[in-house]
Amino acid sequence: GQSLEQPSEVTAVEGAIVQINCTYQTSGFYGLSWYQQHDGGAPTFLSYNALDGLEETGRFSSFLSRSDSYGYLLLQELQMKDSASYFCAVRDSPYKLSFGAGTTVTVRA
Amino acid sequence: DAGVIQSPRHEVTEMGQEVTLRCKPISGHDYLFWYRQTMMRGLELLIYFNNNVPIDDSGMPEDRFSAKMPNASFSTLKIQPSEPRDSAVYFCASRLTSGGNYNEQFFGPGTRLTVL
Repeated sequence: GQSLEQPSEVTAVEGAIVQINCTYQTSGFYGLSWYQQHDGGAPTFLSYNALDGLEETGRFSSFLSRSDSYGYLLLQELQMKDSASYFCAVRDSPYKLSFGAGTTVTVRA
Repeated sequence: DAGVIQSPRHEVTEMGQEVTLRCKPISGHDYLFWYRQTMMRGLELLIYFNNNVPIDDSGMPEDRFSAKMPNASFSTLKIQPSEPRDSAVYFCASRLTSGGNYNEQFFGPGTRLTVL
């Protein structure tokens, strides 16, 4: 089986930096993904890490350490529109994803 | 491309009734996934197909749930009979095997099911 842990909630002000950690236990590992979901919307893909290190995409970056079974999503220059839930998801077989419970990020003015 | 299309967007039914949810994946995508999302259980994978063939249905909760993919552009998830605990948002997603960003699953807008 697999388990993923991430914080349930994070609150920060506009312009701040937020780091969402994700630790996982899984029998198979192909990579770690991050998805964003606004209230009432569908999950949308943010990033994927298969190898150790940092991947940067605009204001968002994602990091993976396979030896530590750990990753994080870094949100920089927070904007109000970044208020959403963020899910880490382990690709534990070639085509399957197992999702964490999600972290609700609230951005305050 | 229009993205993944799901219908209906909202469904309210009474316990014991049959419910059919529909999904049209993105053209050219050869993997299709059905998920269920609830506050208590989060986002759960129910079943997925490759080239219209069911590959893994271990997430299907009970025999009341069934899914089909008769062709590359259409899939259904059926619940019969429905129960109040089936109330959830059901998402369909699709992805490529290779090429492009094949690590990305594209989600439809979801069907919000309420069973009274």
